Amino acid sequence: DADVTQTPRNRITKTGKRIMLECSQTKGHDRMYWYRQDPGLGLRLIYYSFDVKDINKGEISDGYSVSRQAQAKFSLSLESAIPNQTALYFCATSDPRRDTEAFFGQGTRLTVV
Amino acid sequence: AQSVSQHNHHVILSEAASLELGCNYSYGGTVNLFWYVQYPGQHLQLLLKYFSGDPLVKGIKGFEAEFIKSKFSFNLRKPSVQWSDTAEYFCAVKEGGSYIPTFGRGTSLIVHP
Repeated sequence: DADVTQTPRNRITKTGKRIMLECSQTKGHDRMYWYRQDPGLGLRLIYYSFDVKDINKGEISDGYSVSRQAQAKFSLSLESAIPNQTALYFCATSDPRRDTEAFFGQGTRLTVV
Repeated sequence: AQSVSQHNHHVILSEAASLELGCNYSYGGTVNLFWYVQYPGQHLQLLLKYFSGDPLVKGIKGFEAEFIKSKFSFNLRKPSVQWSDTAEYFCAVKEGGSYIPTFGRGTSLIVHP
């Protein structure tokens, strides 16, 4: 089983719909992140959380919200999806030590039509 | 804000050719540096990382990278690429006290057999 699991893996939704992407991890890490990947733009940080009671905006948080339901779960919501939110979304985790890498989920490919 | 620049957006090589992918970052303080690889349809995986010590870092699959502090660079190299190295490569930096990973835009590498 993957250490970082994202559901769904693929989703097509209509403009204006609310959608939730879920992420769960078995790494035991406190830190969780949501990134968006677009061709030619790399990974951009949407939101991050350092523990259950901590939520922080990243560089492109507009149009998104998150919920950290537990140490192991971090959900990303699009309140009213729009076509330019079509992208590949990755959840990642890390522990607080500066020399450790991030661990990524398999990604959710979201298409807004 | 921290920025990470990957100057080569697309690289096409033949098998056995040598590879060097550039990465520069803007932060002047303590940094931790990473290279990730994303094979087609997969999530990001760590290739190698630097946090202290020998500035020449060796990673998996024959990759290495050199940290040159004076140039704010962390270039990725491989002496002889293989078809299986076809992937997207991301440089990432963690800076200062927050240690939130910031990613470059990625370099797409295609290796022809």
